Amino acid sequence: LAKTTQPISMDSYEGQEVNITCSHNNIATNDYITWYQQFPSQGPRFIIQGYKTKVTNEVASLFIPADRKSSTLSLPRVSLSDTAVYYCLVGAWDSNYQLIWGAGTKLIIKP
Amino acid sequence: EAQVTQNPRYLITVTGKKLTVTCSQNMNHEYMSWYRQDPGLGLRQIYYSMNVEVTDKGDVPEGYKVSRKEKRNFPLILESPSPNQTSLYFCASRTDGFQYEQYFGPGTRLTVT
Repeated sequence: LAKTTQPISMDSYEGQEVNITCSHNNIATNDYITWYQQFPSQGPRFIIQGYKTKVTNEVASLFIPADRKSSTLSLPRVSLSDTAVYYCLVGAWDSNYQLIWGAGTKLIIKP
Repeated sequence: EAQVTQNPRYLITVTGKKLTVTCSQNMNHEYMSWYRQDPGLGLRQIYYSMNVEVTDKGDVPEGYKVSRKEKRNFPLILESPSPNQTSLYFCASRTDGFQYEQYFGPGTRLTVT
C-alpha cells in the first residue's frame, strides 16, 4: 500500500487558485490517485481520480507527472466554502480497497 | 436521492452495553465498509464487505462485528463497547470494480463512558 505525504495545512484567499501537492514515491503500476474533501463532522466526498497526465472535472483538476511519484490537486477560484480537509489516496482498483488515509491537508480560505 | 444513511447519528453509552449502528445504501452497491476517524489519525478501516455474506477485516477490527445479509445494509456491532471505541464512525459504499468513488454516510459520533 502506497503511503502519501501532504502538507498539514494551507491558507489562501477567495478567488485564488489553490494547488495541493501530494507525494507518493512508492506508487505501484496498478495504483490510481484519488482525492477526497471532508467538511467537519461530515463524511468525505469524492473530488477526482486519475492515473496519469491531467484529469479535469467540474470542480477540480488533477495533474500527475510522468513518473507518477506526486500529484497536484488544483482548485480554481476558491471560495470560503472550499475550507475543508483534502485527502490524497493511492490504491489499485483490484485491491480490497484498504487505502491508507493520512491526516490530509487542512485548507483554510480567507475572505 | 442516492445516499448512505447511518443511525443513530449520535450515541452515548456505557462500557459493556451492546450496541448496533445501522448503515443502509440505496445505490445497489456491492462494496460497503466501515471506518472510524480519530483526531490526528485520519480514517481507519474497520471492516469491509465485497458483497452479501462476504465480509473481511480492515485495519482495526478488534472489538467490532459486522454482517451483510442484504446488499443494502451493513450494520456495525459493538458487543462490549469500551472507552477506546469512542470515535466518529463512517459507513461507505461503492460499486465493484474500477471505481474509487466511495459514498460516505453522515457519520455516527459514539461516546463510550
